[in-house]
Amino acid sequence: QQQVKQSPQSLIVQKGGISIINCAYENTAFDYFPWYQQFPGKGPALLIAIRPDVSEKKEGRFTISFNKSAKQFSLHIMDSQPGDSATYFCAASFHNQGGKLIFGQGTELSVKP
Amino acid sequence: DAGITQSPRHKVTETGTPVTLRCHQTENHRYMYWYRQDPGHGLRLIHYSYGVKDTDKGEVSDGYSVSRSKTEDFLLTLESATSSQTSVYFCAISESSSLGETQYFGPGTRLLVL
Repeated sequence: QQQVKQSPQSLIVQKGGISIINCAYENTAFDYFPWYQQFPGKGPALLIAIRPDVSEKKEGRFTISFNKSAKQFSLHIMDSQPGDSATYFCAASFHNQGGKLIFGQGTELSVKP
Repeated sequence: DAGITQSPRHKVTETGTPVTLRCHQTENHRYMYWYRQDPGHGLRLIHYSYGVKDTDKGEVSDGYSVSRSKTEDFLLTLESATSSQTSVYFCAISESSSLGETQYFGPGTRLLVL
């Protein structure tokens, strides 16, 4: 019940295209959904996050879409650039449990020039 | 990087030897976490701490212990390393934000157990 399932495992997108990564969760008590971006040899870095009381959040070229009834959320990267090539992780947590994160399995994104 | 350092950054050890990894933070955060990262599994929580001497288990705590005697340091110990503990280990702290407890990660320690 605490799993977060992420797809696809890997994604290849042409420069300028839209990258879409999907996550599904089971526990409806999760109340915080961040996305992390990780470059090789580095720690994950917070990219964007959302609470379940909104359906969409946009920061620059990055958008989270949240579907509470379907228990799904997704990351959209508009106008994808080669510099976006990285591994992306979705996660979920309970606010009242010290923010412990449950991570998805990760998506390796490659943006071709 | 939220003032988080990890040491060592790389370590090679042999099966059966004890190993201690250190996480150090400079900003007095209450919560600290240890995760391991393995291909196909994302990051999984090993242990976390919610204050000095206050720690609790995560989802993959078997074979690991932790200690926090000072706010700034959180130690992860593998009492007797096994090859299955070859992984990349990340420390994190959490910081309150308008959305909730946001976690920031250190640079990681790459551990190879032969």
